Amino acid sequence: ELKVEQNPLFLSMQEGKNYTIYCNYSTTSDRLYWYRQDPGKSLESLFVLLSNGAVKQEGRLMASLDTKARLSTLHITAAVHDLSATYFCAVDSRGTSYGKLTFGQGTILTVHP
Amino acid sequence: GAGVSQSPSNKVTEKGKDVELRCDPISGHTALYWYRQSLGQGLEFLIYFQGNSAPDKSGLPSDRFSAERTGGSVSTLTIQRTQQEDSAVYLCASSRRLAGVAGELFFGEGSRLTVL
Repeated sequence: ELKVEQNPLFLSMQEGKNYTIYCNYSTTSDRLYWYRQDPGKSLESLFVLLSNGAVKQEGRLMASLDTKARLSTLHITAAVHDLSATYFCAVDSRGTSYGKLTFGQGTILTVHP
Repeated sequence: GAGVSQSPSNKVTEKGKDVELRCDPISGHTALYWYRQSLGQGLEFLIYFQGNSAPDKSGLPSDRFSAERTGGSVSTLTIQRTQQEDSAVYLCASSRRLAGVAGELFFGEGSRLTVL
């Protein structure tokens, strides 16, 4: 059974600081997603990582994938209040790759002055 | 519309009643998914439709849950004899498929179900 674990689950950051959210998964996969969710809202796609060593950046967020370590990271640079949200990683198991995703627990990020 | 559309956005029902939740995917997306988000279980896969293929129902939690997709577009998730543990947000997503592989999943706003 595929398991996906994120840490930390709660992250309180000061504006301007950097931090990393980690996503570990238990079985081989070649497709990993990062989503953002604001309170009461749906999931917004941030990144799709498709291969080992993939790195994608959008604004203050950068995601990477190490399939050998079964690890993805979401790095936040110089945090701003607008980044406050819950962040989920999700894994699509190799052999399926049809969107049957297993999600992590989510990381609740709060950015304060 | 441009995105995945779900209705109703909120539904309050009494235990034992049946409910239907509707999803209208993005035009041109052949794959459609239902997920459930609850405090206790997080985000869980329920069911997947792709074209005319048999759906993957492996995530449905009990036989009270069923779903259909008519004409390869709109989908309805039906929960019979609702229980309090069915209370959750039901999210629908759709995606394209390229060379047999799912593309990016786009999620709707969800239907919040509360069973009293």
